[in-house]
Amino acid sequence: QSVLTQPPSASGTPGQRVTISCSGSSSNIGRNYASWYQRLPGTAPKLLIYNNDQRPSGVPDRFSGSKSGTSASLVISGLRSEDEADYYCAGWDDSLNYVFGTGTKVTVL
Amino acid sequence: EVQLVQSGAEVKKPGESLKISCKGSGYRFVNHWIGWVRQMPGKGLDWMGRIYPGDSDTEYSPSFEGQVTISVDESVSTAYLQWDSLKASDTATYFCARLNGGGSDKHMDVWGQGTTVTVSS
Repeated sequence: QSVLTQPPSASGTPGQRVTISCSGSSSNIGRNYASWYQRLPGTAPKLLIYNNDQRPSGVPDRFSGSKSGTSASLVISGLRSEDEADYYCAGWDDSLNYVFGTGTKVTVL
Repeated sequence: EVQLVQSGAEVKKPGESLKISCKGSGYRFVNHWIGWVRQMPGKGLDWMGRIYPGDSDTEYSPSFEGQVTISVDESVSTAYLQWDSLKASDTATYFCARLNGGGSDKHMDVWGQGTTVTVSS
């Protein structure tokens, strides 16, 4: 069902920089804003980034987002053990549906 | 504090009906769309649809149209997700979330804790 494609996994050691890509199309990411959500094990998803690159209050600035064309990216700078989670990109599609990415599991080595 | 509190876990048999809830507090409930999201075991997030409490305007993802019913009772600031006849494949955790922002900027800024539904004979 996911129309946004993410790598299934990403990893890094503490302090490293990790980048997660999100590939969409002209009907979703290419035309509308991208958001990113973090799902820690056993908890509800949490909004990390909205409007491509905006962080809600309380989200550490080591999380940053960007968009170019039909793709979006999430960067975690200075990876920490508590960042081990599943990350999902998302956005509106021209079909008026909200679409999620396939999800990326981040592992801290 | 802005929060969404969902009803508790459910264990049901195939063919049974179910209605789960999502109660908002700490904000003007009628002014924000509420979305529902499914996560099946070991899988990703699936958008199910949304409802605007102010006028009950409802939109469904094509994948869920006719499979579930989304409703709202603004008098108790609560949104609902309902099944008339559950299937084993409905086993999942269901989240409600508040939609914030305008137009294509809408994003889910507050989430309920999730309701786990298990359907098994």
